[in-house]
Amino acid sequence: AQSVTQLDSHVSVSEGTPVLLRCNYSSSYSPSLFWYVQHPNKGLQLLLKYTSAATLVKGINGFEAEFKKSETSFHLTKPSAHMSDAAEYFCVVTPYTGRRALTFGSGTRLQVQP
Amino acid sequence: EPEVTQTPSHQVTQMGQEVILRCVPISNHLYFYWYRQILGQKVEFLVSFYNNEISEKSEIFDDQFSVERPDGSNFTLKIRSTKLEDSAMYFCASSEFGQHYTFGSGTRLTVV
Repeated sequence: AQSVTQLDSHVSVSEGTPVLLRCNYSSSYSPSLFWYVQHPNKGLQLLLKYTSAATLVKGINGFEAEFKKSETSFHLTKPSAHMSDAAEYFCVVTPYTGRRALTFGSGTRLQVQP
Repeated sequence: EPEVTQTPSHQVTQMGQEVILRCVPISNHLYFYWYRQILGQKVEFLVSFYNNEISEKSEIFDDQFSVERPDGSNFTLKIRSTKLEDSAMYFCASSEFGQHYTFGSGTRLTVV
């Protein structure tokens, strides 16, 4: 079985400051890990994914995440927040097996203050 | 960029009625999925569909639910005899090889 814990339900940062959204996972298998973003009234957009290649993964819009197996973490970071980054962010895991179902975290709402 | 299209964006139905949520996946994708998000809760997996049959389903996906690919382009979720607790945002997704998913913008279902 697999699960995902997003440690913060809300994060507020000032524009131009770094962003850190925390995610810990649990998986019986070597997992694939994803970050998705959801802007209001929009679908779920893939930011980045880890699939057992490089542990530091770069995504769209300047986001990146580092897979740390020893800490079972996959935290999402961005050096400098932009107002357009305000959205809901989901950490997602799927086991690297034949199962296709994604397991979502509860989400982190990112607010960016001017 | 190719998109997954869901219709309608909002649906209001009376308790006990049947609803059909519609999705048009990306044309060359082979795997199709439904997820739902009850307000304030996590996004939950419902069902995956491949090669014209259900390949995986969750405990939520009971006899009240069914999926169908009636033609070469649509993928539908039918909910029979809707209940208040079926109110949620329903997301359709598709993928080419079962790893990279593209989600639609969702259908908000309200059961009254």
